[in-house]
Amino acid sequence: GQQVMQIPQYQHVQEGEDFTTYCNSSTTLSNIQWYKQRPGGHPVFLIQLVKSGEVKKQKRLTFQFGEAKKNSSLHITATQTTDVGTYFCADNYQLIWGAGTKLIIKP
Amino acid sequence: DAGVIQSPRHEVTEMGQEVTLRCKPISGHDYLFWYRQTMMRGLELLIYFNNNVPIDDSGMPEDRFSAKMPNASFSTLKIQPSEPRDSAVYFCASNRLAVQDTQYFGPGTRLTVL
Repeated sequence: GQQVMQIPQYQHVQEGEDFTTYCNSSTTLSNIQWYKQRPGGHPVFLIQLVKSGEVKKQKRLTFQFGEAKKNSSLHITATQTTDVGTYFCADNYQLIWGAGTKLIIKP
Repeated sequence: DAGVIQSPRHEVTEMGQEVTLRCKPISGHDYLFWYRQTMMRGLELLIYFNNNVPIDDSGMPEDRFSAKMPNASFSTLKIQPSEPRDSAVYFCASNRLAVQDTQYFGPGTRLTVL
């Protein structure tokens, strides 16, 4: 069936560096939702993108949906310790989830 | 609202035993989802219900797993008999109007099968 590939699996950054995770699909996505799961917690909804080429911002987080609606990205500027966790993309119209990217802040 | 409620939060059982996980969705939500999360396989959708009716159970791993939703405020996921490879965190989630709406997750049940 259709899959959403999410990369990288892990990203280690120094606090203050930027972080980006990407989701790619071979077929057109209906929408993209992004969720964050803190260590030991449960996924929490961040945002939904619906339109081709859509860009949304939440403070230091920037979310993009590709023009062809086959890819999406989440970029965090100047990471902070509170950003630690796993970030998932999902097309919940088709009920498919990416494998997640774990953001790790180097001590 | 209290959010999605799951019980128990932790379950340790022995191989071969029956396990029942419980979920209370947010009041007024029409959709309920059961997920399993492991390091190896990530987050997997097992089954989802709409208005208490199972819509897609293609993610249920095998006949040992069953799920019910007898009313709008309660669902169970049962594993019988349990096996060590069933060890995982099981999440329940609900949403309101349509399958593609925001999903609200419960805190999860961490299951360990010895």
